[in-house]
Amino acid sequence: QKEVEQDPGPLSVPEGAIVSLNCTYSNSAFQYFMWYRQYSRKGPELLMYTYSSGNKEDGRFTAQVDKSSKYISLFIRDSQPSDSATYLCAMSSGGSQGNLIFGKGTKLSVKP
Amino acid sequence: DSGVTQTPKHLITATGQRVTLRCSPRSGDLSVYWYQQSLDQGLQFLIQYYNGEERAKGNILERFSAQQFPDLHSELNLSSLELGDSALYFCASSAGTSPSKETQYFGPGTRLLVL
Repeated sequence: QKEVEQDPGPLSVPEGAIVSLNCTYSNSAFQYFMWYRQYSRKGPELLMYTYSSGNKEDGRFTAQVDKSSKYISLFIRDSQPSDSATYLCAMSSGGSQGNLIFGKGTKLSVKP
Repeated sequence: DSGVTQTPKHLITATGQRVTLRCSPRSGDLSVYWYQQSLDQGLQFLIQYYNGEERAKGNILERFSAQQFPDLHSELNLSSLELGDSALYFCASSAGTSPSKETQYFGPGTRLLVL
């Protein structure tokens, strides 16, 4: 079993839809959870950062972490064509091992 | 713009050759991370440096090495290149290693093609 599993998609939605992106993980030591957005031929860009369990909201984006289920989600409300990108979940146990473990990414396309 | 710079943007070379990729972290960041991104493996952590010292090692091949210099820029050296080394190589930086500072910001990457 991979440490982080993410459905690669592709996921295609109409403009204005609510998008739900998910990752599951197996390592209970993970405490830091992130979502990155990566446009084609660009570097990943940090969208959301969450420590431990709970919800975090930033504009149209909401990140949820459920450590008991080892499941994290990213919701995008009122999706826009400019949201079309690959979304990568990433997580870390922190401390001296601050490197991130990434999911393979979900490719999202928002159609006008 | 994340503030992390990487050079070169593109690199085309032949098998068996050696290349050096360069990264300048965001101003004030002490940690530098190197990642490899390929279609089949996704983003894989290679190595981390903190203030000039190696901090953590991931799936880095023995043919690869890195260092961080006193001015905090970092170089990733790839030698005896193979076709399978063709990938995007990203550098990321963060302020430190304490939990509140571990947000990593990525550079635009270097696209390496080995022919």
